Amino acid sequence: AQRVTQPEKLLSVFKGAPVELKCNYSYSGSPELFWYVQYSRQRLQLLLRHISRESIKGFTADLNKGETSFHLKKPFAQEEDSAMYYCALSGRAAGNKLTFGGGTRVLVKP
Amino acid sequence: EAGVVQSPRYKIIEKKQPVAFWCNPISGHNTLYWYRQNLGQGPELLIRYENEEAVDDSQLPKDRFSAERLKGVDSTLKIQPAELGDSAVYLCASSLDLERGHEQYFGPGTRLTVT
Repeated sequence: AQRVTQPEKLLSVFKGAPVELKCNYSYSGSPELFWYVQYSRQRLQLLLRHISRESIKGFTADLNKGETSFHLKKPFAQEEDSAMYYCALSGRAAGNKLTFGGGTRVLVKP
Repeated sequence: EAGVVQSPRYKIIEKKQPVAFWCNPISGHNTLYWYRQNLGQGPELLIRYENEEAVDDSQLPKDRFSAERLKGVDSTLKIQPAELGDSAVYLCASSLDLERGHEQYFGPGTRLTVT
């Protein structure tokens, strides 16, 4: 069975400080990992995917298969980064179905 | 483009009553998903459709939940009868197809409160 764990329910940082959201997964197969974000009063939306190896809004995430992790990082947090972040897992072995973690609320204080 | 449309946005019902949620996906999206999101948790898949066909309904509590996607466009999710534990946000999402199931577009959700 596939599972995604986000150990932190809440992360509170000051503007300009680094932020790292942890995500660990379990999956038997070749996983595809994603980060989804939900800003206040907005819809859940895709932020980035590991395959793209891209930086979106200053965020990056590296898939570490040895540690089964996909942590999300940003060196300098901004107030507009305050949101709920969900790590998600998919893969062909699971029929491309998305499994979400429990979410981490990020609060960036001025 | 309005994106995924869901209605109603909020619903309060008494236990044992029926309730239905409606979803209109993004035009051209063949795959449609229904999720339930309990407070403080991530979305959990209930059912997904490829066109009119339910390709994965293993997580749908079939004793009280039902869903349909007639004509492969709009979809309705029904609960009958509702229980207190059904209070949650019900999310609808769509993607171009199953292959691109990782890139889902979500609706605003329906917040259900069962009293």
